[in-house]
Amino acid sequence: AQSVTQLGSHVSVSEGALVLLRCNYSSSVPPYLFWYVQYPNQGLQLLLKYTSAATLVKGINGFEAEFKKSETSFHLTKPSAHMSDAAEYFCAVSDPVRGSQGNLIFGKGTKLSVKP
Amino acid sequence: DAGVIQSPRHEVTEMGQEVTLRCKPISGHNSLFWYRQTMMRGLELLIYFNNNVPIDDSGMPEDRFSAKMPNASFSTLKIQPSEPRDSAVYFCASSLRGSNQPQHFGDGTRLSIL
Repeated sequence: AQSVTQLGSHVSVSEGALVLLRCNYSSSVPPYLFWYVQYPNQGLQLLLKYTSAATLVKGINGFEAEFKKSETSFHLTKPSAHMSDAAEYFCAVSDPVRGSQGNLIFGKGTKLSVKP
Repeated sequence: DAGVIQSPRHEVTEMGQEVTLRCKPISGHNSLFWYRQTMMRGLELLIYFNNNVPIDDSGMPEDRFSAKMPNASFSTLKIQPSEPRDSAVYFCASSLRGSNQPQHFGDGTRLSIL
């Protein structure tokens, strides 16, 4: 079965420190991968997506993610955390069976806290 | 450009009442998704439509839940009768068709059943 695993339901970093949020996927076909961010009382907002053009993908707000096929990973990073980055982050993979319909499989999310 | 629009943003009602949640997808998008989010279960896909046709409703928890998409610009999710355990945030999302297409989410409806 296809799945997405996000290691760590909570991650805490200091302002200015590196942010690393981990995502591993399983897929029987080359995947399309997405990172979303959810701020309190809001819907999910697309941060970035990997669609096989380049393995290093840059997104909004200074975030980027690298697709590593050998590790089946798509970790999200940001060199320097800002207080406004505090939110919940979701990794998602296109459903290889129903993906043509736009269906995604979401991870359980990682809540990022940023300490002053 | 207008995003996905959901209404109401908040709904508080008593157990047993009918609840109707509404969604207007992004114009031109042909796939629409309804999700439910709770602390315990996270984000759950309830049902999705393609070109206004329900494709998979296996996530709908019970017969009390129903969803319709009468046209490309409107969808409803109805709960009748509502129960306290239905309390959650309900999200609607839309996308273009295709596995490389991201979903665009509305801001959700926070539903509280007393």
